[in-house]
Amino acid sequence: DAGVTQSPTHLIKTRGQQVTLRCSPISGHKSVSWYQQVLGQGPQFIFQYYEKEERGRGNFPDRFSARQFPNYSSELNVNALLLGDSALYLCASSLVTNGHQYFGPGTRLTVT
Amino acid sequence: QKEVEQNSGPLSVPEGAIASLNCTYSDRGSQSFFWYRQYSGKSPELIMFIYSNGDKEDGRFTAQLNKASQYVSLLIRDSQPSDSATYLCAVISNTGNQFYFGTGTSLTVIP
Repeated sequence: DAGVTQSPTHLIKTRGQQVTLRCSPISGHKSVSWYQQVLGQGPQFIFQYYEKEERGRGNFPDRFSARQFPNYSSELNVNALLLGDSALYLCASSLVTNGHQYFGPGTRLTVT
Repeated sequence: QKEVEQNSGPLSVPEGAIASLNCTYSDRGSQSFFWYRQYSGKSPELIMFIYSNGDKEDGRFTAQLNKASQYVSLLIRDSQPSDSATYLCAVISNTGNQFYFGTGTSLTVIP
């Protein structure tokens, strides 16, 4: 079975722009979570979605939003990009909300 | 106080030795605990999960959980150079909808 997939792999944006990142979970997984990982740190939890509903939110500003589609894929949107948003954005899927998570390869976002 | 704390290392062990990685967490109600391995430039990979007090073994890896002390550890026996990576401890909150990762411990296994 295919693992978690994410697109794009790399992205370069300018401050103030908006970005959309995409994630497809492992087949059969209904929960998708998003994380931000800056160099030298562990992943920071942004959102969790299950059955198209937001089930958890981390300590991120309202510039960050997400949604989950009927096929359980998900998008993460970030508005008004700041230099500090430069990071690896990871998507993880799991069968249930509190199950072990499997990570995709990530999207490397650079904001200039 | 951070939700999950790990020594950042770096930790160096000779090949064949036991590597011991430690993690403490602050949410006493947490029920699920995970260890991930992350190679440089790659995404985290699940190694072990543990839900109950005590030890859980899987091959060369043993996870240990002590809920009273709010402490989780990972032992890697017969360490190999391919084990060189950053090891991340993760905890699910009591409510089940917040995931917390430590900053990771960098392990180097010296041939």
